[in-house]
Amino acid sequence: AQSVTQLGSHVSVSEGALVLLRCNYSSSVPPYLFWYVQYPNQGLQLLLKYTSAATLVKGINGFEAEFKKSETSFHLTKPSAHMSDAAEYFCAVSGRGAQKLVFGQGTRLTINP
Amino acid sequence: DTAVSQTPKYLVTQMGNDKSIKCEQNLGHDTMYWYKQDSKKFLKIMFSYNNKELIINETVPNRFSPKSPDKAHLNLHINSLELGDSAVYFCASSQVIPGLAGLIYNEQFFGPGTRLTVL
Repeated sequence: AQSVTQLGSHVSVSEGALVLLRCNYSSSVPPYLFWYVQYPNQGLQLLLKYTSAATLVKGINGFEAEFKKSETSFHLTKPSAHMSDAAEYFCAVSGRGAQKLVFGQGTRLTINP
Repeated sequence: DTAVSQTPKYLVTQMGNDKSIKCEQNLGHDTMYWYKQDSKKFLKIMFSYNNKELIINETVPNRFSPKSPDKAHLNLHINSLELGDSAVYFCASSQVIPGLAGLIYNEQFFGPGTRLTVL
């Protein structure tokens, strides 16, 4: 079974500041991990994914995430926030060979000018 | 050239009615899904079809019946709508890839969602 916990339902940062969105997972099998972004009134867009290759994963829009097995974490970072990054971010996990995505509760990211 | 499309985008209806939501993907994927996003933004899988065969049914009430006429389409029919059915419903698709240790389900591509409001 898999589960995901996103720490902080709402994160607020200033434009140009570091973005850090936290995700911890639980999985009884080696996991695949994903970050999705949802802009208002839109569907989910894949930011990046970890599928057992490099532990540091680079995604779109300058985001990256690091898989840390010892900490069961997959935190999302971006060095410098942009106003257009304001959105809801979802971390998700699936077991390898399993197709069901289990989502965290989401983190709303607000960017202050 | 939308990858995963859903119709309608908005659906407002009365309790007790029956309604359908349609989903189509032009990515050539062989697996499709329905997810429900509640008012607190929590996303949960409802169903998954692989090559028109139901493979995931997550304890969803019988009032919900998915139908996959072909690999590119997965429709969701809901009977006797209830207030609690109000949510955003997302369709998604992915491609299964044979791996060394078994099947690998690649990342899922999501549609824009259908906001269902039951009055």
